[in-house]
Amino acid sequence: SQQGEEDPQALSIQEGENATMNCSYKTSINNLQWYRQNSGRGLVHLILIRSNEREKHSGRLRVTLDTSKKSSSLLITASRAADTASYFCATDRGGSNYKLTFGKGTLLTVNP
Amino acid sequence: DGGITQSPKYLFRKEGQNVTLSCEQNLNHDAMYWYRQDPGQGLRLIYYSQIVNDFQKGDIAEGYSVSREKKESFPLTVTSAQKNPTAFYLCASSAGAATCTFGSGTRLTVV
Repeated sequence: SQQGEEDPQALSIQEGENATMNCSYKTSINNLQWYRQNSGRGLVHLILIRSNEREKHSGRLRVTLDTSKKSSSLLITASRAADTASYFCATDRGGSNYKLTFGKGTLLTVNP
Repeated sequence: DGGITQSPKYLFRKEGQNVTLSCEQNLNHDAMYWYRQDPGQGLRLIYYSQIVNDFQKGDIAEGYSVSREKKESFPLTVTSAQKNPTAFYLCASSAGAATCTFGSGTRLTVV
């Protein structure tokens, strides 16, 4: 079963603009992570935010987490054509079972 | 370089045939995972293993089998019981409850 749902499914912006993607999930979580996938390739980890954190930054990435709304957002600032990829959120429930459950992803296209 | 290697990159299966996808990691990670990705469907968990000689079914284990005889290796067999095996298969590993490192994937096509 899919735990996370990303929104929007697809997003097209111009280079230099900011891109915001959202993720909603259904059950309580331990951590939420964001991954990136270039077409036909494996996923690459971007950032992890713990359930007791509200915001985290890494370079041009900003992630927020609202556990009361069971949602997270990923903001990419000053986007570049090289940011074109699919972005997935993934959650784990902690404890002894640390498998990740992924959403369906947001396809981001950054036009030069 | 430490990493996770999947082979082959492309695989073709005839009807009724079993095929095995290879996944090897040299990251000394305890946990390994197999995901299936279909267009527009995101990643779905097939099997995972948190320790050698132990593995658990994920959400879509029917028609698949795995083994975990060595820490470094977690091969996935797609059996003839899997009626719709055409998909992109991703292997990943992690050091417990941490971020996953993914392989570059195997694209399986039924011919």
